[in-house]
Amino acid sequence: EVQLVESGGGLVKPGGSLRLSCLASGFTFNTYTMNWVRQAPGKGLEWVSSISSTSSHISYADSVKGRFTISRDNAKNSLYLQMNSLRAEDMAVYYCASASNNWGIVKYFDYWGRGTLVTVSS
Amino acid sequence: QSALTQPASVSGSPGQSITISCAGSSSDIGAYNYVSWYQQRPGKAPKLIIYDVSDRPSGVSSRFSGSKSGNTASLTISGLQAEDETDYYCSSPTSTNSVLFGGGTQVTVL
Repeated sequence: EVQLVESGGGLVKPGGSLRLSCLASGFTFNTYTMNWVRQAPGKGLEWVSSISSTSSHISYADSVKGRFTISRDNAKNSLYLQMNSLRAEDMAVYYCASASNNWGIVKYFDYWGRGTLVTVSS
Repeated sequence: QSALTQPASVSGSPGQSITISCAGSSSDIGAYNYVSWYQQRPGKAPKLIIYDVSDRPSGVSSRFSGSKSGNTASLTISGLQAEDETDYYCSSPTSTNSVLFGGGTQVTVL
C-alpha cells in the first residue's frame, strides 16, 4: 500500500523558517517525480514545487521561488521542503504527492499524503 | 500564472448528468493532453479520478468521464449520486514547467 506521511508543520512567525518532510513507502520512491501542493484554509489547491527522481530537474511556483527549496533523499525514501521568509499567505495545508511524468512534464498526481498544516502568525 | 477557470458551483438532481468545465489557455490545457481531475472531500486529501484527459484510475466509477476541446477541459458525472457531493479540481501542466489547478467546483446534489 502506498503511503505518504508529511511532518514538520506548525506555528511560525512571519519571516521565520520551517522544514517539512514526507516519508514514502509502498512504491519505488527513487523512480518518481515528487511534489508539494498546498491548500490555504477554505481555498483551492496550489502547486508549490516538483523534483525529478534524480533531483536533476526542480521547479517552483513563482509565489515561492527564492524562498522555498525542495530536496529529496532516495536512500531514506524522503522528500523535503525548506521554507524560509515565511509570509501570512504561505499558511496552508501542505501535501506531499507523487506524480506521473513524461520527459519532465508532470502529468498528474497519483498519490497524496494527508497533509501537514503550516500556520504563519505573530 | 493564473489558475484554470472552473465554475464555483454546479448542482443536479440524483440520476442526472452534470458537467464541470475547466478553461485554460494554449500554454496549458491546449498544449498537452495531460488534464487531470481530483475529487476532494472535506478534511481529506485530493483523490485522482481522471488523468490524461479521459482515463480513469483503477477503482474509479465509470460514471466519471473527461474530455477536452481546444483550451477547455470538462468533467462529466453521469447518474449523479448523493456521494458525489463534494469539491472537484482540474489540473494541467504548463509550457513553463509549472502546474496549474483550477479554483475548484463544489458539486451539490439537490
